Amino acid sequence: AQSVTQLGSHVSVSEGALVLLRCNYSSSVPPYLFWYVQYPNQGLQLLLKYTTGATLVKGINGFEAEFKKSETSFHLTKPSAHMSDAAEYFCAVSERSGYALNFGKGTSLLVTP
Amino acid sequence: SQTIHQWPATLVQPVGSPLSLECTVEGTSNPNLYWYRQAAGRGLQLLFYSVGIGQISSEVPQNLSASRPQDRQFILSSKKLLLSDSGFYLCAWAGTGGSPLHFGNGTRLTVT
Repeated sequence: AQSVTQLGSHVSVSEGALVLLRCNYSSSVPPYLFWYVQYPNQGLQLLLKYTTGATLVKGINGFEAEFKKSETSFHLTKPSAHMSDAAEYFCAVSERSGYALNFGKGTSLLVTP
Repeated sequence: SQTIHQWPATLVQPVGSPLSLECTVEGTSNPNLYWYRQAAGRGLQLLFYSVGIGQISSEVPQNLSASRPQDRQFILSSKKLLLSDSGFYLCAWAGTGGSPLHFGNGTRLTVT
């Protein structure tokens, strides 16, 4: 079965600094990978997804992620953090399109002035 | 465009009372439907998913149940709530072909 590990339950960065949120996956078949963002008391919003093709995926709000099969990783980055980026971020993996996603435990991003 | 509606937004229920949370999707046909529960510090736990009317798969044994009486309606129920049922419940839908899940705004359930 597929699974996801997010390294670091809390990450703090300064406004304008690089954001790096780590995600490693385990899957016996080529995975579908996703990053979601959640603001307090709201549902999850899709940031970006990788299914096939280009391994560098660009998403909304300036975020991007790179699928590295050799490292089984799908880390999320953003060159310059904004205060509005403060939220909970979830990495998720699926082995079959449209079926259940398995989520990591989430990383809470804090952006300081 | 597709939209997902989930209600109520918040709910406070006593232990032992019944539960019914409803989720509906508009703008798509035959979606896959999901119920997740989110507890603090524990990420998202898949409770149920459905690939069609009357087809329910349960991922975690518990005192909750789900039903799909119509193509775009998904209901989460319990006959008797436990304190441990408190949490944030999220409904989601997905299409096919690698499409991601689209989430509702969630229901905050507090069992007292």
